[in-house]
Amino acid sequence: GDSVTQMEGPVTLSEEACLTINCTYTATGYPSLFWYVQYPGEGLQLLLKATKADDKGSNKGFEATYRKETTSFHLEKGSVQVSDSAVYFCALSDRGFGNEKLTFGTGTRLTIIP
Amino acid sequence: GAGVSQSPSNKVTEKGKDVELRCDPISGHTALYWYRQSLGQGLEFLIYFQGNSAPDKSGLPSDRFSAERTGGSVSTLTIQRTQQEDSAVYLCASRPDVVADTQYFGPGTRLTVL
Repeated sequence: GDSVTQMEGPVTLSEEACLTINCTYTATGYPSLFWYVQYPGEGLQLLLKATKADDKGSNKGFEATYRKETTSFHLEKGSVQVSDSAVYFCALSDRGFGNEKLTFGTGTRLTIIP
Repeated sequence: GAGVSQSPSNKVTEKGKDVELRCDPISGHTALYWYRQSLGQGLEFLIYFQGNSAPDKSGLPSDRFSAERTGGSVSTLTIQRTQQEDSAVYLCASRPDVVADTQYFGPGTRLTVL
């Protein structure tokens, strides 16, 4: 079945540091890939997405590129801020198999210290 | 516009009691999902509704769990004879239609079974 493996946390960085959160996936079809973010006390929000190979999703300074050859969708940001502290979830939706439910990774808790 | 809403935001119940959790999707969204977020299992799919089609119940963990969606809008997730392992945050998400791939999440209901 489908699965998502993402970098174990927690991750603690200083403000303005570079961020990479690794995510790899296994899927039987042609998935769309997502990063969702959960800020403290809030619900899940879509951060960015990519729907086909070589697509790059971007939002709020974050980027991730859909790499079919390595089945990866790593999240990157060049300079993190305290406000980026949150839990980040990589997810896939395997189109063409009916329900297109999201399969999530375990989440990575990111803490940015001033 | 209004997002996905869920009620109650918190529910504490005793083992063996039945509980009902409610989800109001974004108006006009035809697809509705329930997920569960727990410490041991991460984020997992429970059930999917699409229009008037039969729901996909493949993620429900036991026959104590059921859900319905009335009039293609509001959904209720019912857990009968609750157990302590049912303690989790129950998330609802909606999606505009069969073509769109982004799901929009509600704030969740935190269920605690004593």
